[in-house]
Amino acid sequence: DTGVSQDPRHKITKRGQNVTFRCDPISEHNRLYWYRQTLGQGPEFLTYFQNEAQLEKSRLLSDRFSAERPKGSFSTLEIQRTEQGDSAMYLCASSFLGWSNSSSYNEQFFGPGTRLTVL
Amino acid sequence: QKEVEQDPGPLSVPEGAIVSLNCTYSNSAFQYFMWYRQYSRKGPELLMYTYSSGNKEDGRFTAQVDKSSKYISLFIRDSQPSDSATYLCAPPGSQGNLIFGKGTKLSVKP
Repeated sequence: DTGVSQDPRHKITKRGQNVTFRCDPISEHNRLYWYRQTLGQGPEFLTYFQNEAQLEKSRLLSDRFSAERPKGSFSTLEIQRTEQGDSAMYLCASSFLGWSNSSSYNEQFFGPGTRLTVL
Repeated sequence: QKEVEQDPGPLSVPEGAIVSLNCTYSNSAFQYFMWYRQYSRKGPELLMYTYSSGNKEDGRFTAQVDKSSKYISLFIRDSQPSDSATYLCAPPGSQGNLIFGKGTKLSVKP
């Protein structure tokens, strides 16, 4: 296992188009997180999954955004009707955490990110 | 007030210098803090973490937490050009998501 992978690495699209990104986490990691990072800022949390269940969504995740993790393995993040403000690096991270340890140390491993440019 | 504040820099130091990177936080409930390093156009990678009390040392890196002043520090000894990156502090939120500061961009000149 070589770590978290993301595809594509770069995406250029025109405003109004839909885009979909894929994240493959580290095998057997039950948690998967999506973050967005804009220039000069730290990553900002978007949403996360525990296995296939989406448990939390940030207020940053507008109704144009949807994420899935259908079999508790890979995940997709779709942005509909893209806007120029969606231009950012979209990062995926995975970790393993037990149900009883929500506040325990939770090391997240990040993928290389998908850089989205909306023209 | 943001939950995590970090001076974005940039910070430029000569090779071999001791570097001090700092964060302040507002939520006293944070139980541990992570430091991530991010090279340009790459994803963040975990450098080290420390629980909300005491210090932790790992090679040239030392992380400190001062709970009373809600202040977190990362020290890099004998800095190398390969340490040039953005350093992000990140405590975990209630759902285990990480709450990142803006990051401090460090440049170590040979």
